[in-house]
Amino acid sequence: NAGVTQTPKFRILKIGQSMTLQCAQDMNHNYMYWYRQDPGMGLKLIYYSVGAGITDKGEVPNGYNVSRSTTEDFPLRLELAAPSQTSVYFCASIHPQGPNTEAFFGQGTRLTVV
Amino acid sequence: GQQLNQSPQSMFIQEGEDVSMNCTSSSIFNTWLWYKQEPGEGPVLLIALYKAGELTSNGRLTAQFGITRKDSFLNISASIPSDVGIYFCAERYNNNDMRFGAGTRLTVKP
Repeated sequence: NAGVTQTPKFRILKIGQSMTLQCAQDMNHNYMYWYRQDPGMGLKLIYYSVGAGITDKGEVPNGYNVSRSTTEDFPLRLELAAPSQTSVYFCASIHPQGPNTEAFFGQGTRLTVV
Repeated sequence: GQQLNQSPQSMFIQEGEDVSMNCTSSSIFNTWLWYKQEPGEGPVLLIALYKAGELTSNGRLTAQFGITRKDSFLNISASIPSDVGIYFCAERYNNNDMRFGAGTRLTVKP
């Protein structure tokens, strides 16, 4: 049982390059989230999805795009990387029905834009 | 949008001491969640609260959902070195998106 899997774990991008951060979960969770965590700070919500085909903006969506074509996968796309996007990115999933609202997090992707 | 204010920002305590941290919000919520994050890892759920006034324990951890539904606290009793980490409060806004406080960084000196 893998839980939430993020790839890659580390990446260095040059300004203006693009990349996709992958997130997959095998728990059949409907809700998935992308967060960024800057050094010494909390987690800021970038985008979330409540099911396949449905995505919504969070607090800090600018510079990012997402898609949710399947329940399992929720990739995050950076089109034109900027130094301000240097951060650790976490993906999470929840199965919100019933009393258990625990979010399961991936181990994070550490991105540096130079 | 709503804001989660978490305090204190950091704590340096001696092993064996008790710890208390809290979160307040500008909005009323239905759920309060407390997470712990260790270095290089994603957050892990400690306690979830679903009703105003609810008091829930998980070992040495106790958390309460404030009566006004705008605040929550987390207490850790008899701290040990492995309690070190960042503690986050979180809430599920509109039961959909989930937002986090800025975190309380706990250091425990042996």
